[in-house]
Amino acid sequence: QKEVEQNSGPLSVPEGAIASLNCTYSDRVSQSFFWYRQYSGKSPELIMSIYSNGDKEDGRFTAQLNKASQYVSLLIRDSQPSDSATYLCAVNVNFNKFYFGSGTKLNVKP
Amino acid sequence: DAGVTQSPTHLIKTRGQQVTLRCSPISGHKSVSWYQQVLGQGPQFIFQYYEKEERGRGNFPDRFSARQFPNYSSELNVNALLLGDSALYLCASSGTGGTDEQYFGPGTRLTVT
Repeated sequence: QKEVEQNSGPLSVPEGAIASLNCTYSDRVSQSFFWYRQYSGKSPELIMSIYSNGDKEDGRFTAQLNKASQYVSLLIRDSQPSDSATYLCAVNVNFNKFYFGSGTKLNVKP
Repeated sequence: DAGVTQSPTHLIKTRGQQVTLRCSPISGHKSVSWYQQVLGQGPQFIFQYYEKEERGRGNFPDRFSARQFPNYSSELNVNALLLGDSALYLCASSGTGGTDEQYFGPGTRLTVT
């Protein structure tokens, strides 16, 4: 079982819609959780971090964490074509190891 | 402020050779992590260094080694290169490591022929 699982997609949404990206993780001692965006041929760019259960909002982005269910999600409101990219979920385990999912490809159609 | 810098941008090596990749973290950051990313996959954790000490190691063979210098820059060395080592090598910078947010550099694209 992989430490971090993501649906590879592609997830297609129309412009202006809400995109919902999901991630599950296997290690219960995971401490912190991150979402990155990666455009083709570029390095990952940090979108948000979340450390405790609940929701965290930053502009059009909302991260949701449920440690009991070992589940973290990212909502993108008012999706734009420029949001089309691969979204990577990352989990920190034991303070010093990071595991990434394989990413979900998002296509926002104009 | 300058972000994370990596050099070189691209590199072509032959099987069996050795390679050294370099990374300078964001000013004020003391921790550097290295990742390998092959096409279609997420980054795989190789090492984390903080204050010149190795803090974490991923599941990579001993051919991979790294070090961090007093100015917090870092080098990743890979010996006896294999074709499967062809990948994008990413360096990430964070304040103190641990659970801190990590910021990635542009990466070094390594091709092994």
